[in-house]
Amino acid sequence: NAGVMQNPRHLVRRRGQEARLRCSPMKGHSHVYWYRQLPEEGLKFMVYLQKENIIDESGMPKERFSAEFPKEGPSILRIQQVVRGDSAAYFCASSPLMSARPGNTIYFGEGSWLTVV
Amino acid sequence: RKEVEQDPGPFNVPEGATVAFNCTYSNSASQSFFWYRQDCRKEPKLLMSVYSSGNEDGRFTAQLNRASQYISLLIRDSKLSDSATYLCVVIANFGNEKLTFGTGTRLTIIP
Repeated sequence: NAGVMQNPRHLVRRRGQEARLRCSPMKGHSHVYWYRQLPEEGLKFMVYLQKENIIDESGMPKERFSAEFPKEGPSILRIQQVVRGDSAAYFCASSPLMSARPGNTIYFGEGSWLTVV
Repeated sequence: RKEVEQDPGPFNVPEGATVAFNCTYSNSASQSFFWYRQDCRKEPKLLMSVYSSGNEDGRFTAQLNRASQYISLLIRDSKLSDSATYLCVVIANFGNEKLTFGTGTRLTIIP
């Protein structure tokens, strides 16, 4: 029973390039969350998605960042024209549709480490 | 004011000692509370939920004080393997599992 799968685990991009990070939720999970962790900082919420819907994107930077969770396939976090400040760990988490115990059924992937050079 | 505040540490504690972490949250309407553990360059993992009645899991005890908006974690008989960053986490709203993280408290257990 695979957990939350993220790829790539490590990604190096030059300034101005695009970064695409993928997340496959746990089987049976229909909610996906993306978090960013800057060096020496805590995790910050970015976006919450369900299949084909963005539910809450209050943590997404206004420009260059976008996320999707299509009907088929993984969720994708896309960062256009990357800058050095985008270097961070990006964690995806998933949870089932209905949880009787919010917070206790959310699982994190191992993260994608983006380095912008 | 940050939504969730923690003392960043570091806490350097001898093996076998007891150590306590505290956390405060700003949103009085927050619904659910947790402690997570994060090892270096790893994903955060749920350590335990936190309830007003207090809860214990082996050497770990967590407590919530809603009136003071304060959460605590106590680790007894600390082990070398307890070395990690401990994250205080809050869910503000019903209906989703959007987690708000503190910046974490770094703990190092010294042999």
